[in-house]
This record gives sequence, structure tokens and C-alpha cells, in this order.
Amino acid sequence: GEDVEQSLFLSVREGDSSVINCTYTDSSSTYLYWYKQEPGAGLQLLTYIFSNMDMKQDQRLTVLLNKKDKHLSLRIADTQTGDSAIYFCAESATSGTYKYIFGTGTRLKVLA
Amino acid sequence: EAGVTQSPTHLIKTRGQQATLRCSPISGHTSVYWYQQALGLGLQFLLWYDEGEERNRGNFPPRFSGRQFPNYSSELNVNALELEDSALYLCASSLGLGQNSYEQYFGPGTRLTVT
Repeated sequence: GEDVEQSLFLSVREGDSSVINCTYTDSSSTYLYWYKQEPGAGLQLLTYIFSNMDMKQDQRLTVLLNKKDKHLSLRIADTQTGDSAIYFCAESATSGTYKYIFGTGTRLKVLA
Repeated sequence: EAGVTQSPTHLIKTRGQQATLRCSPISGHTSVYWYQQALGLGLQFLLWYDEGEERNRGNFPPRFSGRQFPNYSSELNVNALELEDSALYLCASSLGLGQNSYEQYFGPGTRLTVT
């Protein structure tokens, strides 16, 4: 079946780079997304990448997509304590029945 | 521009009761999605509505139902509440079918507690 997997935890020091990884199984995915969820809040869309791209940069965020390996990563440069949150990747596809699947989420802890 | 809004923020019910959760999408969005996020778990897809119709449904029992109104706001109803239904219920909206844009924007959620 379709699945989106992420490692559960990541801990980095303030000022270092964070890399959060995600693997997905559906090669028909059209868009891949990264969301951030702070404690007690809803999800905030950070960025997304279309499946025919392999990289997208947006300020401190860099998304890399390896479509052959179905691997997506989010790099946060100069990680700050305010970046501590749960990060979800998600994939969507519109071929046939609509599909939008979220990963399990990675809890990022930034140490001062 | 107002984001996705949900009400109430918190809801406390007892087993066997019914809960009604509400969501208003971003202006111009016709699709509304509902997700359940139980404590410590990821998001589980519940329902998707677009243009007033149910387009897809997750793997939940029929006591989870909903509807979308002509103004695109939506209601999620949970009947015969069980303790395991305690969770954060998130609503999201997006542009509708055929718009080639499927970013979902989330509301702050309704925390449902069943005692």
C-alpha cells in the first residue's frame, strides 16, 4: 500500500543545519510537501515541490527530491530554537482517485 | 486574508454522545479536508469534501460523517463517541478539483476529549 515514512526524532544544536528525511512509495505523486506543527497548533505549510523538480530553495529551507529513490528531504540552515516542532512530509496525486498522504512526522528538537 | 477557522477550540463529551465540529475554509477554497490526530500519532485522513460533495473517505467507521454547506464551510459529526475518539481534529482547505494546486492550509484544530 501507499506509505510515507519519516524518522521519529531529530536533535540538533542551535546554528547547525537540520536534515529531515522522508520516503514515499507512490511514484504517481504529483506534489510533495513539508508542513510544520508547533505544540497544540495546526499544521503550517512550509514549502512544496512539484515532482518534476529535484530541488527548491526558500530562504533557510532547501527541499531535495530524488524521484528515482522516492526520497524527499528538508534542510533547515542555521537552525533556531523556534524551529523546534514536528515536521510532516506529505504527497499528493490526482491520477484517478484523489490522494493526499501524510508521513508520521519527525519531532525536531533544537538545543541551545 | 483570514485563514482556516475551526470551532470550538475544545470540546468535552462523554461516551455515547455526539460531537459536532465546524470548519470555515479560506475564501475561494472549495475543498475541505478533515483529519484526526490522536496523541503521539500522525494525521489520519477522515473525509474530503469539494463543491458540497464527499469525494473521498478514510478508513473510519460510519459514525464519522460530515457535510459541506453551499458557502463551503463544513461540519464533522461523530456519533456514539468512544474514548478512542479523543484527539485533535484538524480541518484543512485547498483550491478545488481541477485547479492544479493542492496545497492544504490547516486550521488550529478542535481538541475533542471523550470521558
